[in-house]
Amino acid sequence: KQEVTQIPAALSVPEGENLVLNCSFTDSAIYNLQWFRQDPGKGLTSLLLIQSSQREQTSGRLNASLDKSSGRSTLYIAASQPGDSATYLCAVHSGGGADGLTFGKGTHLIIQP
Amino acid sequence: NAGVTQTPKFRILKIGQSMTLQCTQDMNHNYMYWYRQDPGMGLKLIYYSVGAGITDKGEVPNGYNVSRSTTEDFPLRLELAAPSQTSVYFCASSYSMWGGGADTEAFFGQGTRLTVV
Repeated sequence: KQEVTQIPAALSVPEGENLVLNCSFTDSAIYNLQWFRQDPGKGLTSLLLIQSSQREQTSGRLNASLDKSSGRSTLYIAASQPGDSATYLCAVHSGGGADGLTFGKGTHLIIQP
Repeated sequence: NAGVTQTPKFRILKIGQSMTLQCTQDMNHNYMYWYRQDPGMGLKLIYYSVGAGITDKGEVPNGYNVSRSTTEDFPLRLELAAPSQTSVYFCASSYSMWGGGADTEAFFGQGTRLTVV
């Protein structure tokens, strides 16, 4: 059964710093990996989707990488801002049907002004 | 573009009561999903649907029922509410579920926070 782990569980950094969030998964046979942002009391917002054949995806100050063979993905946030404060979730798509998306528990990120 | 809309946003139920969580999407997506999120845990799949009239169980289906009469709507029914069903419920949709391409990107609603007392 696929398992997804996110490290660290929480992170607090000063504004302006570059930072990396980590995601690891146990079964490398994945279709894709998706990074989400969740604000308190809100839904999930899709940030980036990396297909299994891709190595990285970029959107603005966000860059996500994927190393399928080692079961790892990173989300790089450049020049962090207080508005980046949220919980970041990693989800792995391992197949259709009941497999659905397997989520990590998230990294709670606080950017200090 | 509204995306995925869930109602209600909050609800308190007494043990044994029943309710329906509503979910509708306007993206013409074939696939719809219900997840629950418990504190400190990853989201768990309750039920999913591959199209109107077709539903199937996810990882944690016990105590829930679903139906899919139209492409747009995917309601989740709790028949006999129990304290263990206290959670935040998310509905999601995607155009596809297979192949891993961009069309499998999942879009989520704002969630329903349910408390059973």
